[in-house]
Amino acid sequence: DTAVSQTPKYLVTQMGNDKSIKCEQNLGHDTMYWYKQDSKKFLKIMFSYNNKELIINETVPNRFSPKSPDKAHLNLHINSLELGDSAVYFCASSQGQGRQPQHFGDGTRLSIL
Amino acid sequence: AQSVTQLGSHVSVSEGALVLLRCNYSSSVPPYLFWYVQYPNQGLQLLLKYTTGATLVKGINGFEAEFKKSETSFHLTKPSAHMSDAAEYFCAVSEVDFGNEKLTFGTGTRLTIIP
Repeated sequence: DTAVSQTPKYLVTQMGNDKSIKCEQNLGHDTMYWYKQDSKKFLKIMFSYNNKELIINETVPNRFSPKSPDKAHLNLHINSLELGDSAVYFCASSQGQGRQPQHFGDGTRLSIL
Repeated sequence: AQSVTQLGSHVSVSEGALVLLRCNYSSSVPPYLFWYVQYPNQGLQLLLKYTTGATLVKGINGFEAEFKKSETSFHLTKPSAHMSDAAEYFCAVSEVDFGNEKLTFGTGTRLTIIP
């Protein structure tokens, strides 16, 4: 009974392709996040949704489009993948916003060939 | 904007020795501070957090951190290192961005335990 689950765990694809990553949380939380962790382990927020509403949208290329069909799910679609998109993408959730403890998934390692 | 600085990207200690991971923050308002741990191939896990009140915060796995406003620090300590403590540790501060709260992470410190 994983709290925050992401699929797939690994994603290897070629430049120019479109891919999606799915995230689900069973904690009953109202806020979900996408983070990007680069090869130097630097972790930066990309998006945040509260009750299905987008509340944080960092300076992210518009090739990245999040979608939250309900409070328990937050998906990330990426168009026209580029080499620089290679990273580990983490989904997280919390009850309330940033100052509340966040629960992280195990990440999706995206490699662009 | 608020930020955190973690001094030392790599720290090595012997098993049984004191662990000290340093974190300094900058904030124009009383900060909410966190330490997270990341084990290999896993997501981040909350170790402890400071919101208000007691400045010495105890977390999981024997870790604790002390909020020192005068030094703008929130260093993480553990009296006796265990092999299982080897991981990446992140300090984070909660900041308000256009009315919404978000976490800003430090660059991380990799802790290695020497047998």
